[in-house]
Amino acid sequence: GQNIDQPTEMTATEGAIVQINCTYQTSGFNGLFWYQQHAGEAPTFLSYNVLDGLEEKGRFSSFLSRSKGYSYLLLKELQMKDSASYLCAVTYNTDKLIFGTGTRLQVFP
Amino acid sequence: DTGVSQDPRHKITKRGQNVTFRCDPISEHNRLYWYRQTLGQGPEFLTYFQNEAQLEKSRLLSDRFSAERPKGSFSTLEIQRTEQGDSAMYLCASSWVKGSSSYEQYFGPGTRLTVT
Repeated sequence: GQNIDQPTEMTATEGAIVQINCTYQTSGFNGLFWYQQHAGEAPTFLSYNVLDGLEEKGRFSSFLSRSKGYSYLLLKELQMKDSASYLCAVTYNTDKLIFGTGTRLQVFP
Repeated sequence: DTGVSQDPRHKITKRGQNVTFRCDPISEHNRLYWYRQTLGQGPEFLTYFQNEAQLEKSRLLSDRFSAERPKGSFSTLEIQRTEQGDSAMYLCASSWVKGSSSYEQYFGPGTRLTVT
């Protein structure tokens, strides 16, 4: 299989930093995506990693280690509007996205 | 608005009926994907097209499901003889792909299907 594992739920405080981890099977790995999904809405793209290292985009950063089959999404200066599900998705050989179950993040004041 | 659009947004149907959903991708995108999402889960891949050619179908896609993209633009997903287990959000996404690289997929708002 191509299990994509990420925590089911996380909580954090407004203004804090949170790291959401994702692990995946490495065989056939092509690239890794992070999407944000608010309740009842479509997923929206956050980041794409294909090479090892950190990609920074404003308050959000994503890290990839291809050899370890590991990625994380780092959210800084959390805001209430960041309360959402964060989906880790991987492409293997083909272009289809294989998603994890998502991590539901709740930000409290 | 030039994003991905889907129609209808909501569909309630009785078990055994047929339903058809439509997706209009971003106009310059050559790839179109269908996913299904149930509550508390990530989206599951169903099928995808490169222009009008259907390149891959998931084993989740039983023979009751069929998808088309006749002119390489919009796509339809039909479910025949619906079952209660078909209740889900059906998401369409599109992307521009060149060569073997993966690119961001843009998702539409989804069609929520409820089978009673």
